[in-house]
Amino acid sequence: DQQVKQNSPSLSVQEGRISILNCDYTNSMFDYFLWYKKYPAEGPTFLISISSIKDKNEDGRFTVFLNKSAKHLSLHIVPSQPGDSAVYFCAASKGNTDKLIFGTGTRLQVFP
Amino acid sequence: NAGVMQNPRHLVRRRGQEARLRCSPMKGHSHVYWYRQLPEEGLKFMVYLQKENIIDESGMPKERFSAEFPKEGPSILRIQQVVRGDSAAYFCASSPGTGRVTEAFFGQGTRLTVV
Repeated sequence: DQQVKQNSPSLSVQEGRISILNCDYTNSMFDYFLWYKKYPAEGPTFLISISSIKDKNEDGRFTVFLNKSAKHLSLHIVPSQPGDSAVYFCAASKGNTDKLIFGTGTRLQVFP
Repeated sequence: NAGVMQNPRHLVRRRGQEARLRCSPMKGHSHVYWYRQLPEEGLKFMVYLQKENIIDESGMPKERFSAEFPKEGPSILRIQQVVRGDSAAYFCASSPGTGRVTEAFFGQGTRLTVV
């Protein structure tokens, strides 16, 4: 039962353009959503989060959008840089104090 | 990220042996979470511990797996009688007493290979 889904296993974007990574969830009890970035042989690094009371949160080049009615969130990276090449995981939790449920990840490659 | 220390980084065990994975949380952190990542999959929650207490072990397999976080020393994830299917990357994360997941930092993981 995959409660958090990332349907695109990979994404390739040219440097300077926008990267859009998508994530869908099925459990309406989730109220906190996070994005993590992961390089090979390293642990996930927290990027940005959003609570269900908001529909947008922005931090520098990273913006997360939440559409509760569609149970969908997306991460926008603009402008994309080669150093952004990594696997991106979305995750969800209930109440911001519970365990994280992760998606399967999207591998982003930013090329010059 | 570098503050959460996991060791060993790589562990090779033969089928039937025991595996012990260690996680030293960041200084001042009293909450530890263990996750497992199978090849080509996302991270799956296993267990959530506070010092000397298991808070949530709903993701732990019923047999062969156990975890502890003693008053002193690292958190230990123990896998008895390992099988090939246990081969995975095991990550721990630690957080301060608030238990807020956004304040959790992950270690670099232990890659377990069962041969």
